[in-house]
Amino acid sequence: KQEVTQIPAALSVPEGENLVLNCSFTDSAIYNLQWFRQDPGKGLTSLLLIQSSQREQTSGRLNASLDKSSGRSTLYIAASQPGDSATYLCAVPYNTDKLIFGTGTRLQVFP
Amino acid sequence: ETGVTQSPTHLIKTRGQQVTLRCSSQSGHNTVSWYQQALGQGPQFIFQYYREEENGRGNFPPRFSGLQFPNYSSELNVNALELDDSALYLCASSHAGQGYYGYTFGSGTRLTVV
Repeated sequence: KQEVTQIPAALSVPEGENLVLNCSFTDSAIYNLQWFRQDPGKGLTSLLLIQSSQREQTSGRLNASLDKSSGRSTLYIAASQPGDSATYLCAVPYNTDKLIFGTGTRLQVFP
Repeated sequence: ETGVTQSPTHLIKTRGQQVTLRCSSQSGHNTVSWYQQALGQGPQFIFQYYREEENGRGNFPPRFSGLQFPNYSSELNVNALELDDSALYLCASSHAGQGYYGYTFGSGTRLTVV
């Protein structure tokens, strides 16, 4: 059974800091991992998709890495801004038909 | 390309009633999945539809049912609503029955059961 854990559960930082959000999964037989952003009461916005053959993906100030052997992924946010405040979720596919999500990291960036 | 659209945005129902939620998949995607997200939790998989048939189901009772139409849009139906059904319902579309190319989510439907 696949289980996904995210640490920390919540994070509050001043603007400008570089951040690291962690995601771990118990079954390393995954073919990709996806990071999402969720604003309060809203849907999910895909940030980065990392295939199992890749080690990292970058989009602007975001960089995500994937280490299948250790069951870990890291989302790095450079030079954080108040607009980055949201919940960040990681998810891995399971049984080809569904995503298993972590419970998320709730990020607050204050000016 | 158009994204995933869900309707309605919000609705309030009474316990015991029935509800239908709708989802239009992203252009080029032929698979639709539905998720339930309770407050403070990650989304939980309800079921997936591929080629108009259920392609997998999570741990939800039969009163949660769905349909997929030839244009790949989908409906989620919930009968005999219970208070615990209050949640954000998310629809996601993907390509070819698997998530190899990732999933695109809609903005969700907030269901409140009173």
